Amino acid sequence: NAGVTQTPKFRVLKTGQSMTLLCAQDMNHEYMYWYRQDPGMGLRLIHYSVGEGTTAKGEVPDGYNVSRLKKQNFLLGLESAAPSQTSVYFCASSRPQRSGNTIYFGEGSWLTVV
Amino acid sequence: DQQVKQNSPSLRVQEGRISILNCDYTNSMFDYFLWYKKYPAEGPTFLISISSIKDKNEDGRFTVFLNKSAKHLSLHIVPSQPGDSAVYFCAASALLTGGGADGLTFGKGTHLIIQP
Repeated sequence: NAGVTQTPKFRVLKTGQSMTLLCAQDMNHEYMYWYRQDPGMGLRLIHYSVGEGTTAKGEVPDGYNVSRLKKQNFLLGLESAAPSQTSVYFCASSRPQRSGNTIYFGEGSWLTVV
Repeated sequence: DQQVKQNSPSLRVQEGRISILNCDYTNSMFDYFLWYKKYPAEGPTFLISISSIKDKNEDGRFTVFLNKSAKHLSLHIVPSQPGDSAVYFCAASALLTGGGADGLTFGKGTHLIIQP
């Protein structure tokens, strides 16, 4: 029962470096999301995808890019990391349901930019 | 502008008593509401949800109440147990208009501490 898996779990980057966070889900969900959590800020949506090959901006998309080349994977990229991107990143997925979309989260990726 | 508000950053409750966590929302298009529980160093896990066509949903020790006219929902935990100590997030979705594809809007969370 893997659910939503994120790699890496921890990473330290220098300002200006680039990296990619990988997310994989084995629940055959259509929708996938990337959120960030900062102290006192709750969870904020960065980007999301409603299906393979499609992506859309969320509440805080600046400085990030995403790709959904396969249904089960959703990648989050930082092209030039900044200290303001130090955060905990959560990938999530859900399926379209008329009764309500419950989102299932991964365990998180802790990113520090120095 | 916060659309989902949890005004209590923390809440201390004695073991065995009732825990009541509150949440207010401003967007009248929200029609589906959820509570998530989060332990340190883990991802949020789904706890309970409620559709706007209901005013109460119960699952074991957890009950969510929705007051649409007041744009307010609450989570009741009875009786509270030490394992309930966690951060609780309220979340909302505009299911009817958005289909839920654009994710959930979260509050900032309430840290519930159950004291022995």
